[in-house]
Amino acid sequence: GEDVEQSLFLSVREGDSSVINCTYTDSSSTYLYWYKQEPGAGLQLLTYIFSNMDMKQDQRLTVLLNKKDKHLSLRIADTQTGDSAIYFCAESINNDMRFGAGTRLTVKP
Amino acid sequence: DAGVIQSPRHEVTEMGQEVTLRCKPISGHDYLFWYRQTMMRGLELLIYFNNNVPIDDSGMPEDRFSAKMPNASFSTLKIQPSEPRDSAVYFCASSLAQLTDTQYFGPGTRLTVL
Repeated sequence: GEDVEQSLFLSVREGDSSVINCTYTDSSSTYLYWYKQEPGAGLQLLTYIFSNMDMKQDQRLTVLLNKKDKHLSLRIADTQTGDSAIYFCAESINNDMRFGAGTRLTVKP
Repeated sequence: DAGVIQSPRHEVTEMGQEVTLRCKPISGHDYLFWYRQTMMRGLELLIYFNNNVPIDDSGMPEDRFSAKMPNASFSTLKIQPSEPRDSAVYFCASSLAQLTDTQYFGPGTRLTVL
C-alpha cells in the first residue's frame, strides 16, 4: 500500500519496555525516523536510522529495521510516565516524506 | 537558534473567515514544509518549498488553501474561506539542504473553525 502504518494505541506500565511498530512502503527509503509529540507541542525528532543499518541504540531507545519486511520498531526501555506521547514513524524517499498516523503511548504508574 | 517559530499558537474563527498562519523557519534551512494533523487522518503533508519556491502542493486539500514564501525567513498558509472541517493543528517544519535531511517542527497552530 501507499501508507506508513502504525497501531494507534499502546499502553504499558511504568518500568516496562515499550515497543512501537511501523511498516513502511518503499524499499528504496533512505532514512527512517521516529518523532515524538508531547501534548500541546510540535514534533521532536527522537532518532533516525539509515536504511543500510539494522539497529541503532541511543540510551533507552533501540531502533530495529527489517528491510525485508519493511518493518521498523522503536523500543523504549524502562518506560517512564514522561514518555507518554504520540510517536510518529516516517520515511524519506526521493522527494517525498511520509508519516504514519502516530501511536499514542500511555504509561500507567 | 530559536527553532521553527509559528504564530498564532491558537486561532478560533468563524466559518467563512480568512485565516492566516505564519511560520519562521530555522535560519539557513532551505526547505520548509506545512503539515496538518487531525485525529482522523493523522499527519498530512500539505506543501513544501525549496529556496522559497513551492515544489509539491499536491497535499493542499482545496483551492481555499494557499501558501506563500516571500523570503527565506517567512511563510504563510492561508485558508479563505475557512470551514469547520479545517479545524486541525497545522505544523510548519524546516530542514537544512536536502529533502532527506531531518525536519525540525514548530510547535503548531491549533485552528478551530466554528
